[in-house]
Formats: sequence, C-alpha cells, structure tokens
Amino acid sequence: EAGVVQSPRYKIIEKKQPVAFWCNPISGHNTLYWYRQNLGQGPELLIRYENEEAVDDSQLPKDRFSAERLKGVDSTLKIQPAELGDSAVYLCASSLGDYSTYEQYFGPGTRLTVT
Amino acid sequence: DAKTTQPPSMDCAEGRAANLPCNHSTISGNEYVYWYRQIHSQGPQYIIHGLKNNETNEMASLIITEDRKSSTLILPHATLRDTAVYYCIVGISSNTGKLIFGQGTTLQVKP
Repeated sequence: EAGVVQSPRYKIIEKKQPVAFWCNPISGHNTLYWYRQNLGQGPELLIRYENEEAVDDSQLPKDRFSAERLKGVDSTLKIQPAELGDSAVYLCASSLGDYSTYEQYFGPGTRLTVT
Repeated sequence: DAKTTQPPSMDCAEGRAANLPCNHSTISGNEYVYWYRQIHSQGPQYIIHGLKNNETNEMASLIITEDRKSSTLILPHATLRDTAVYYCIVGISSNTGKLIFGQGTTLQVKP
C-alpha cells in the first residue's frame, strides 16, 4: 500500500516569494493534516481537513498561508509571501478519521529553506 | 489534552530492551496514550496506543500503570534502526485528532 506522498521533498526560495506544497494521502483516508516542524521541535498542527472541509485551521497564519483540498483527496498548502521564519519541514498526514484520528500516517515532509 | 514529560535522551545497547518512560499525571479517564517515533529525515511513525490495559503489537509493548499517571514503551530487542525521537502523546480518541508533540526522547541505540 502506498503511503502519504509529498512533493517536492526540498525547496529553497528567497523571502517574499510564493511557494506551494502538495500532498496525496493514503487512499480511503478522509482526514488530512498539515503540520509544521521547526528544527529540534516536534511537529505542530496547521490545519485539519475532514474530506474537503477545513475543520480546524486555528493555527494556520491566515495572512500568508492558505490551503485547499479539492474533491477531498489531495491537498495543497501555499505560503505567499514567504518569510525567513517559515523555514521548516512541512509534513502532511492522513487518517481514516472518526475514532482513528490519532493513528495518523505521515509523509516524508517538504523541507523549506527561505533565504 | 494532558501534558506529558519524557527524558530528553536515552542510550540502549543493540539487542537489549529499550524502556522509554513517560509521565502524564494529569491524564483524564477517557484519554489514550499514543506513541510515535521519528527517524531522522522522515515523518513521524505511529507505534502503539492504549487506554488502561497493556498493549503489544509487532513493533513494541506499552505498559500503563494502574493509576494511569505514567507509561513505558518497550522495544524488546532494539536495533540500530530504532534510533529515533520517540514521542508520548495523550489525547481523546474521538476528539480532534490534534497530536500535540512535545520534545520527545531521543533514543540512541549503540552497537
């Protein structure tokens, strides 16, 4: 069974430039999460989707971050414009949902470097 | 969600059991204990979870004390590939699914 797929794996951009990350969850997983992981820290949730609805985006910096999950399958996370402090690993995870929401399956992440 | 406390680092000899402790003294009656690990340059990986009974799967065993204020993750025969950061997380199964990761324990398995 294929795992969570993310692309790109690495991205280097200059500050003020836009950037987008793509995630394809495990087939059949209704719940999708985006996390951000700063160096030496544990991941922090940015947004959670149940199918195509964003049900928890309280930690998403909405002035520059946006996300979408069209058709309830794959998802895109965008930053525009990027700032130096956005350098981090962006992780996508998925789960079956309902009572399995804590059994999440993570992708390898996208390492973003903003210069 | 209850907070957890873990030692920042531990060493273990290859082939020996690795016992990773976690304190969660403010855990509520309906909160589960979840363990994840993160190998370098990879995303976190789900290991095991439990409510009050001890649990075992192909990866590890989870021992939860009777008062549920602490737990221990046991890797019975640690290998070099088990070197990773291990996270203990407490949460309600039917809740938001918002995993709150702490600093975790860095386990170094040595030959």
